[in-house]
Amino acid sequence: GAVVSQHPSWVICKSGTSVKIECRSLDFQATTMFWYRQFPKQSLMLMATSNEGSKATYEQGVEKDKFLINHASLTLSTLTVTSAHPEDSSFYICSARAYLVGELFFGEGSRLTVL
Amino acid sequence: AQSVTQLGSHVSVSEGALVLLRCNYSSSVPPYLFWYVQYPNQGLQLLLKYTTGATLVKGINGFEAEFKKSETSFHLTKPSAHMSDAAEYFCAVSEGQGGSEKLVFGKGTKLTVNP
Repeated sequence: GAVVSQHPSWVICKSGTSVKIECRSLDFQATTMFWYRQFPKQSLMLMATSNEGSKATYEQGVEKDKFLINHASLTLSTLTVTSAHPEDSSFYICSARAYLVGELFFGEGSRLTVL
Repeated sequence: AQSVTQLGSHVSVSEGALVLLRCNYSSSVPPYLFWYVQYPNQGLQLLLKYTTGATLVKGINGFEAEFKKSETSFHLTKPSAHMSDAAEYFCAVSEGQGGSEKLVFGKGTKLTVNP
């Protein structure tokens, strides 16, 4: 099946720094990618939807200036957590839609810990 | 607005016993329904999905689910639990096939399989 890879899997950073998480579709072109956030023992909450070549659409309550999303190519989307704080610590998961197929494929997730 | 309710945040069964994970949904349009499995510190893997047609859907690893419109339910079952089934299970609903449309997830059910 299609593979979506996230990098890094784990990241620890100091408060105030910025962290970039990459989401790559390895064997298909993804016109749409989604970014989710998952708190411990909770469900996935959609943060934003990104379409290749256009600005991301953020869900209500998600700070677009804090969570910068770039979808520069059909195989790569990035989420940058700017000026990270301990409350940003979470598990971030991306998913990508295979062009013309419709099914969503999820990445392995990236765990961010902000000290 | 769509929503998903998973009854029971934790379900514990014995190895070889029937697995039943409950999911009820709310949708103003004919729903597309999904079950995903998540192992610790990993992304989500699609177990099965209902779009249209046959209401009994068979998925991977011996799981199946039945769409019951009258009950707005999409419960997940497996006749005989295996130790490897221990994981978190998420039910999700979408207005479309889960492509450019958003997925709304339930809060998840953690399945424990006892030897």
